[in-house]
Amino acid sequence: EVQLQESGPGLVKPSQSLSLTCSVTGYSITSNYWGWIRKFPGNKMEWMGYISYSGSTSYNPSLKSRISITRDTSKNQFFLQLNSVTTEDTATYYCARSILWDYWGQGTLVTVSS
Amino acid sequence: DVVMTQTPVSLSVSLGGQVSISCRSSQSLVHNNGNTYLSWYLQKPGQSPQLLIYKVSNRFSGISDRFSGSGSGTDFTLKISRVEPDDLGVYYCGQGTQYPLTFGSGTKLEIK
Repeated sequence: EVQLQESGPGLVKPSQSLSLTCSVTGYSITSNYWGWIRKFPGNKMEWMGYISYSGSTSYNPSLKSRISITRDTSKNQFFLQLNSVTTEDTATYYCARSILWDYWGQGTLVTVSS
Repeated sequence: DVVMTQTPVSLSVSLGGQVSISCRSSQSLVHNNGNTYLSWYLQKPGQSPQLLIYKVSNRFSGISDRFSGSGSGTDFTLKISRVEPDDLGVYYCGQGTQYPLTFGSGTKLEIK
């Protein structure tokens, strides 16, 4: 069974970087696509980007200058880095298997606050 | 970006009843390859979203046939029949035809 688990700090200060890890079990990240989606307070959901089986990436243009998705295939993990965060980046962050978004992590709440 | 407009924002239904949720896109979701990448998700309270329907009308593995998707082009519908208590939560439509991927704003289903 494919399982994903997010980990990382729950509190980040404004202007700093947000870094999250997604650990995948039951499926190799060298197959398929793997991405990040966030859900803001309220119901708005935003696709952030993905990393492909080959390591290529695609990002939401709204984040393009601040976001980086990388991976460590030896650990079957992929990572999110979001730079220069503001309070508007406060959200629950989910990693998931793209393209169908058929398997999701449980989500991790990240609060941006001083 | 493709804007996904979901209606209604919320609805209340009796157990055993039927509901429909509408999702309209600002552009056609027919991909150059002929597929239409419109999906439906349910986020139950305290859980992560789960895939219900993909490519308009295909039920994901393990999803009850009480859930059905239909539509084409820019107009799509999710129907839930014989509503059960476990169906409550927020339903989202999402498009994967054009990047950036976008989602509807959600429909909250409550049980009367």
